[in-house]
Amino acid sequence: ETGVTQSPTHLIKTRGQQVTLRCSSQSGHNTVSWYQQALGQGPQFIFQYYREEENGRGNFPPRFSGLQFPNYSSELNVNALELDDSALYLCASHRLDTEAFFGQGTRLTVV
Amino acid sequence: AQKITQTQPGMFVQEKEAVTLDCTYDTSDPSYGLFWYKQPSSGEMIFLIYQGSYDQQNATEGRYSLNFQKARKSANLVISASQLGDSAMYFCAMREGSPQGGSEKLVFGKGTKLTVNP
Repeated sequence: ETGVTQSPTHLIKTRGQQVTLRCSSQSGHNTVSWYQQALGQGPQFIFQYYREEENGRGNFPPRFSGLQFPNYSSELNVNALELDDSALYLCASHRLDTEAFFGQGTRLTVV
Repeated sequence: AQKITQTQPGMFVQEKEAVTLDCTYDTSDPSYGLFWYKQPSSGEMIFLIYQGSYDQQNATEGRYSLNFQKARKSANLVISASQLGDSAMYFCAMREGSPQGGSEKLVFGKGTKLTVNP
């Protein structure tokens, strides 16, 4: 086990709704990254938080937003859900310049 | 342009044999890191091995070794003595960005599905 916990593990939402995914990072890790993995693809970088500030973002629209809390846990929020948002969402925690440890992911289905 | 290329969508290997999973990468940054992750059907990405661009030796971790050929921009994963539990998706990834307070992100390939046959 990596010590990175994500919740919920599975989620079904309706198009147009909003969703919040949660991630508890591994102890001692101050950096959290979020990835979206569509079926049959490799993960795509959404954004990264370092010491509660966003410090990098991939090619995702503003309706994908996030937070990092003082205990370094994190949330990913997606507004106005679209069918194409259906994917596995992975959270990874690490210290800078070390390997990233991933959680088990949240499988989001948008219907 | 694709930065990480994994040309083998699927690979099959007999139990106890060795297998090589291919990965080529593209970057103009002299400092980068290469990673291999295993993803079982449960979804979690499991870190296997890391190679830094300035590392002189090929990385090894137990049954995993990384065949790093910098001039050819390849970072192939070698799994020795395959086990049934090695059946999974395998992803090669490259770290981009400055580790000195800047953004780091992993760029992943499309993965290779490895099946170990008894």
